[in-house]
Amino acid sequence: DAKTTQPTSMDCAEGRAANLPCNHSTISGNEYVYWYRQIHSQGPQYIIHGLKNNETNEMASLIITEDRKSSTLILPHATLRDTAVYYCIVRVAMDTDKLIFGTGTRLQVFP
Amino acid sequence: DTGVSQNPRHKITKRGQNVTFRCDPISEHNRLYWYRQTLGQGPEFLTYFQNEAQLEKSRLLSDRFSAERPKGSFSTLEIQRTEQGDSAMYLCASRPLAGLYNEQFFGPGTRLTVL
Repeated sequence: DAKTTQPTSMDCAEGRAANLPCNHSTISGNEYVYWYRQIHSQGPQYIIHGLKNNETNEMASLIITEDRKSSTLILPHATLRDTAVYYCIVRVAMDTDKLIFGTGTRLQVFP
Repeated sequence: DTGVSQNPRHKITKRGQNVTFRCDPISEHNRLYWYRQTLGQGPEFLTYFQNEAQLEKSRLLSDRFSAERPKGSFSTLEIQRTEQGDSAMYLCASRPLAGLYNEQFFGPGTRLTVL
């Protein structure tokens, strides 16, 4: 699975958009980009995934660059409850099925 | 749907003791995963099951660790002769086999402290 690089930490004001970047320059054509988050003292929670097209769901939007070497997770209106560690994971769907987490980005949403 | 449950939520033990954790996946989820997470790090994969069959084990899973899922429902993770380095959060996740994507549903974890 391709390696990902994320900033260690970010801050965001409540009500503003939070844009979390992820670099995955060695991504292969059949590898998807997944995002999970982990709120303090809880297990990780799935947010969204995509292959090459931009994706949106009720939680977030995922923007993948045309060359697929990087992506951005967007939380359109961050709330205090979005404070968490966000993990970007690149993997092949239907492959060995394990998730390989990095250290993620710690997002702090402040009032 | 009550989610993935794990018991106990916290376990404190002395070095050298054996401990066992239980995970109850979401009903009818064929796949069940165990991960370990130490402070400041992301979760690390340990092993996973499809029904009762253990399909993959990480090299992190030393011979002191054993996981079972005897009836394809709940799973147990046992650590024998615990060491201080085993102190971590042990996370369980599950997902249905069907479906192209593998969103895994995580439980709250069992926090192990080895004194």
